[in-house]
Amino acid sequence: AQSVTQLGSHVSVSEGALVLLRCNYSSSVPPYLFWYVQYPNQGLQLLLKYTSAATLVKGINGFEAEFKKSETSFHLTKPSAHMSDAAEYFCAMGRPDTGNQFYFGTGTSLTVIP
Amino acid sequence: EAGVTQFPSHSVIEKGQTVTLRCDPISGHDNLYWYRRVMGKEIKFLLHFVKESKQDESGMPNNRFLAERTGGTYSTLKVQPAELEDSGVYFCASSPTYYEQYFGPGTRLTVT
Repeated sequence: AQSVTQLGSHVSVSEGALVLLRCNYSSSVPPYLFWYVQYPNQGLQLLLKYTSAATLVKGINGFEAEFKKSETSFHLTKPSAHMSDAAEYFCAMGRPDTGNQFYFGTGTSLTVIP
Repeated sequence: EAGVTQFPSHSVIEKGQTVTLRCDPISGHDNLYWYRRVMGKEIKFLLHFVKESKQDESGMPNNRFLAERTGGTYSTLKVQPAELEDSGVYFCASSPTYYEQYFGPGTRLTVT
């Protein structure tokens, strides 16, 4: 069965500290993986995507994620948190063979403490 | 380039009423998707259009939900009659390919 698990529905970090949001996946085929961010009253914005090329993926706003097949993980990191990073983050998975629906995690709400 | 737009942004209706949500995809995107997020849960797939044809509607919860895509452009999702458990945020996404989807802001539906 296909599934995405995000550990920690709420994460708080201090401004300037490392941001680490965890995502693990389960898929019967090599997946495509994505991180989306949703700011208050806005839609889902694509942060970055993994589509079987480089395992370390860089995205917008200084975020990056590393695909680790052995750990079935795709954790999102940012070296130094900014106040503007406060938002909800979603990990999502797509299957290259079926090509339609994305499977989402339950989301992680990030709070940045000044 | 205009993004995916959805109307209305919020809708509050009573149980038993009908509501129609609309999605306008990015121009030129043949693929259109509907998803729903019930409070606190994951965003779940409802269905997928390729142009005007339903490619996959395996996520539609029951026959109270009807989706259409007129002429391969905008899409509507009708809920009739609405039940309390239909409350949530309905997202629309469009894509030119199978490995990236662009999402709209969502419609928050509250059924009272």
